[in-house]
Amino acid sequence: RKEVEQDPGPFNVPEGATVAFNCTYSNSASQSFFWYRQDCRKEPKLLMSVYSSGNEDGRFTAQLNRASQYISLLIRDSKLSDSATYLCAVTFYYKLSFGAGTTVTVRA
Amino acid sequence: DAEITQSPRHKITETGRQVTLACHQTWNHNNMFWYRQDLGHGLRLIHYSYGVQDTNKGEVSDGYSVSRSNTEDLPLTLESAASSQTSVYFCASSADWQREGRSTGELFFGEGSRLTVL
Repeated sequence: RKEVEQDPGPFNVPEGATVAFNCTYSNSASQSFFWYRQDCRKEPKLLMSVYSSGNEDGRFTAQLNRASQYISLLIRDSKLSDSATYLCAVTFYYKLSFGAGTTVTVRA
Repeated sequence: DAEITQSPRHKITETGRQVTLACHQTWNHNNMFWYRQDLGHGLRLIHYSYGVQDTNKGEVSDGYSVSRSNTEDLPLTLESAASSQTSVYFCASSADWQREGRSTGELFFGEGSRLTVL
């Protein structure tokens, strides 16, 4: 079983829509959780951390469910510029493990 | 500005040849990582280093080696390139983790090196 699994999508949504997707992790002792964004096979960049209480950054909301071992990302009022692959990442001690990514395409 | 650079950005080689991918960072980060990215697999950790003279194997380390002789560089060597090593390789660095393994999670990635083994 992979350490981190994501629905690959693609999620194809119109501008202004809300899109949400999850990521599951296998190690219950995982310590920290993050979402990265990757554009067109360029280098990934940190989008946001995910905290137990849930957190928002503008139109982006991240949630963590430790009991069910998943994290989620919700994007409100989607913009064309949100089209990208979103990678979830999980740390166990000093290693960061990534999911394969969820592709989101926002259409005009 | 501090940065992390990889070279070459694109390389085509033949099976059996030794290949070295360079990674140089000017962040003065202790932690450096090599990942490969393939369709359907995402980013998989090859090797990592937490400081000079420290190297560790990741989940897909067979056929790869690294050395860390200074803070700035972590070259990745493919001892005898195989077609299965055709991939995009990303180097990354990070500041020291906080206590107990909790971290900011922010890795700074290079732009990637696309390697084709024929």
